Amino acid sequence: AAGVIQSPRHLIKEKRETATLKCYPIPRHDTVYWYQQGPGQDPQFLISFYEKMQSDKGSIPDRFSAQQFSDYHSELNMSSLELGDSALYFCASSLGREGNSDGYTFGSGTRLTVV
Amino acid sequence: AQSVTQLGSHVSVSEGALVLLRCNYSSSVPPYLFWYVQYPNQGLQLLLKYTSAATLVKGINGFEAEFKKSETSFHLTKPSAHMRDAAEYFCAVSDNQAGTALIFGKGTTLSVSS
Repeated sequence: AAGVIQSPRHLIKEKRETATLKCYPIPRHDTVYWYQQGPGQDPQFLISFYEKMQSDKGSIPDRFSAQQFSDYHSELNMSSLELGDSALYFCASSLGREGNSDGYTFGSGTRLTVV
Repeated sequence: AQSVTQLGSHVSVSEGALVLLRCNYSSSVPPYLFWYVQYPNQGLQLLLKYTSAATLVKGINGFEAEFKKSETSFHLTKPSAHMRDAAEYFCAVSDNQAGTALIFGKGTTLSVSS
């Protein structure tokens, strides 16, 4: 079965650079979520989109922005990168219009390293 | 606001022993509850989920969890631990509203000794 696809798998950026992470949800899923997981930490919710509209907002820095496109894929744009942004970034998708009854499926993540 | 609390950041068991990982939730609406497992440097894999159907939920790899509303708990159990069960386990809560984020607990590291 198709899963959530994230790209790239690994990314190395310098401080103050920008990065763009991409997420392709499971076909039919209409909701996308972004999480940040630091070393030894639990995943922290950043932002979510349902039917291409922002639906929930967590601890996403102002330097970050995201959107969901017409094909339901999502991109997380990160600017003015800081060392503390180094983390594993997960995307998840769900079928929101059916009340998330199938649960949330996570991608394998993008490991961002800021040097 | 919804939240989960995982009691015990680290649990150690012997191979073949019972595994019990504790999770209590707080929610103002009927919750959806999940357990995820994460192996080192890997993604989050769904073990099982409770979405208001049967209160005893069976998942993959021999794990199960019971939703107890009176105790606001959703503890994860496995009758007999295996070495391959050593990993980080996260309890998480959401609801049935489209776009509601899944909120994770702090995680419990399970160690299994031979």
